[in-house]
Amino acid sequence: DGGITQSPKYLFRKEGQNVTLSCEQNLNHDAMYWYRQDPGQGLRLIYYSQIVNDFQKGDIAEGYSVSREKKESFPLTVTSAQKNPTAFYLCASMGPTPSTDTQYFGPGTRLTVL
Amino acid sequence: AQSVAQPEDQVNVAEGNPLTVKCTYSVSGNPYLFWYVQYPNRGLQFLLKYITGDNLVKGSYGFEAEFNKSQTSFHLKKPSALVSDSALYFCAAASGPGGFKTIFGAGTRLFVKA
Repeated sequence: DGGITQSPKYLFRKEGQNVTLSCEQNLNHDAMYWYRQDPGQGLRLIYYSQIVNDFQKGDIAEGYSVSREKKESFPLTVTSAQKNPTAFYLCASMGPTPSTDTQYFGPGTRLTVL
Repeated sequence: AQSVAQPEDQVNVAEGNPLTVKCTYSVSGNPYLFWYVQYPNRGLQFLLKYITGDNLVKGSYGFEAEFNKSQTSFHLKKPSALVSDSALYFCAAASGPGGFKTIFGAGTRLFVKA
């Protein structure tokens, strides 16, 4: 899981509450990503950021928000607007050159809405 | 819409036999192609990637993948399967400006029986 930490490992939330998932990397990578993993659907891209203070929506950004104030940090907020937030969330980072770099993944956070 | 397809939800193979996990892609241009492996409740680990050049790519743990441009396929192979290869395998394609956005397939679960 090389150099990427996600916390907490398990998270429980009541309906209607916002919750923030942490992702930190010490790989000095420019790009960072958030994915959602559901059984049988693979990984779906929520948001990604190529540099500090910039980020792009992925395929399923509705109900989520992110910030990228520091190179090493890319927190994800799951808002009450996300209708089905129970899932496994994975953060990843990558160096500046996709042709030679690969994504490194964190260990994930499992979010359960009660 | 751009997509990556893994047509088999599950592949079963006996230990010592060759294995193939299939992947096809529908992505514009010349995408970078990847295989990742996931063990239970863990993040994804990189196996191999195709950027350009030789159609047979060798990766970690004895895995290799064959790129076929005419069939838009990137099948994962291993000559002799091990029980420890049992895991969830994801095919992915990087697309978009600079290749930063990555699209994942739904995953194929590999079971290797002793």
